[in-house]
Amino acid sequence: DSGVTQTPKHLITATGQRVTLRCSPRSGDLSVYWYQQSLDQGLQFLIQYYNGEERAKGNILERFSAQQFPDLHSELNLSSLELGDSALYFCASSATGVSSYEQYFGPGTRLTVT
Amino acid sequence: AQKVTQAQTEISVVEKEDVTLDCVYETRDTTYYLFWYKQPPSGELVFLIRRNSFDEQNEISGRYSWNFQKSTSSFNFTITASQVVDSAVYFCALSEAGSNTGKLIFGQGTTLQVKP
Repeated sequence: DSGVTQTPKHLITATGQRVTLRCSPRSGDLSVYWYQQSLDQGLQFLIQYYNGEERAKGNILERFSAQQFPDLHSELNLSSLELGDSALYFCASSATGVSSYEQYFGPGTRLTVT
Repeated sequence: AQKVTQAQTEISVVEKEDVTLDCVYETRDTTYYLFWYKQPPSGELVFLIRRNSFDEQNEISGRYSWNFQKSTSSFNFTITASQVVDSAVYFCALSEAGSNTGKLIFGQGTTLQVKP
């Protein structure tokens, strides 16, 4: 158990809908990362937050947004969902926001868009 | 541009064989970090190791060992006396200090199947 929690574990929804994925980092970790894992794109970095502020953006679509709250949990919002958004979404956390620290990953949320 | 290549898509071995998973990376940064993660069939990503670009010492942890060679931009992972429980997808990843973020750039992964 990495100490990172993600809810829900599975999500099935229809095209055009909006969903929210939730992540709680390990105790004491200030940085949260979101990654998408799909068969065609592999594991891709989406966005990083550090202590409530956005630190870095990767290949994140404009239909997607995220935030980190004062208690350090994070939410990833996906809207106007398309079939191609079906993927495994991971949240990870690390002690700081820089590359010298390893990231610990949550169990992931499997999103299926039908 | 930063990139991680794991040329071996799938490897199949018989239990107790040794197996090496290759990882080649590209970066312009002089300070960077390399990682290996394991993704078992259950789906979670498990951290295995982190190395920084200034430490080329090989590392051994039980049956696992890692060979970091800056001259060839490689960070290979060897499992000695493989076991069925080693069956998983293994990812190599890179993080550049110059980006001032912790974002990880992953390779495509190598699926290892260990048969009894």
